[in-house]
Amino acid sequence: AQTVTQSQPEMSVQEAETVTLSCTYDTSESNYYLFWYKQPPSRQMILVIRQEAYKQQNATENRFSVNFQKAAKSFSLKISDSQLGDTAMYFCAFMRIIQGAQKLVFGQGTRLTINP
Amino acid sequence: KAGVTQTPRYLIKTRGQQVTLSCSPISGHRSVSWYQQTPGQGLQFLFEYFSETQRNKGNFPGRFSGRQFSNSRSEMNVSTLELGDSALYLCASSGLAYNEQFFGPGTRLTVL
Repeated sequence: AQTVTQSQPEMSVQEAETVTLSCTYDTSESNYYLFWYKQPPSRQMILVIRQEAYKQQNATENRFSVNFQKAAKSFSLKISDSQLGDTAMYFCAFMRIIQGAQKLVFGQGTRLTINP
Repeated sequence: KAGVTQTPRYLIKTRGQQVTLSCSPISGHRSVSWYQQTPGQGLQFLFEYFSETQRNKGNFPGRFSGRQFSNSRSEMNVSTLELGDSALYLCASSGLAYNEQFFGPGTRLTVL
């Protein structure tokens, strides 16, 4: 079974700083997808960034980028120039697709606080 | 394009009752997945529906069931509610491309 581990339960940084959230996963599959989701206090889960395992290039979305190390099964999220609105729970998630069926496996989350 | 909608947003039930939650996916999305979120267990996959067929199921007891209609709207039902069923229930829809799941705001269920 696939597992996702986020080793940092909580992190706190100052506004405008750069922060990196860690995620490791365990799978025997070679083709899969990885995601970072953000859940602010409103509880709405928002997709931040996605990465296909077959792509070597790391995904980027504006201030958000990932460091995908397939051999090490590591998928960290870097937030540059952090903003107060980045305060949220961040979940790393793994998806394997079998015959079209989708299932997200989530880590336990990292609570990120951006301080003014 | 409207996002995923879930109704009701909040629900209070007592033990032994049953409950039905509804989810309307993004227009054009045919896959709907359900997740349970609790402080202790985190986010856990319940089931996924595609074209009215259950395509994937998580490790939950048979009290948890779901269905999908021809317009892709989905409902999940929990019978004989237990205190431990108190949770945020999230619905997510997905289109054909990119395998991204887009989440609704959730239904907060409290079982007393």
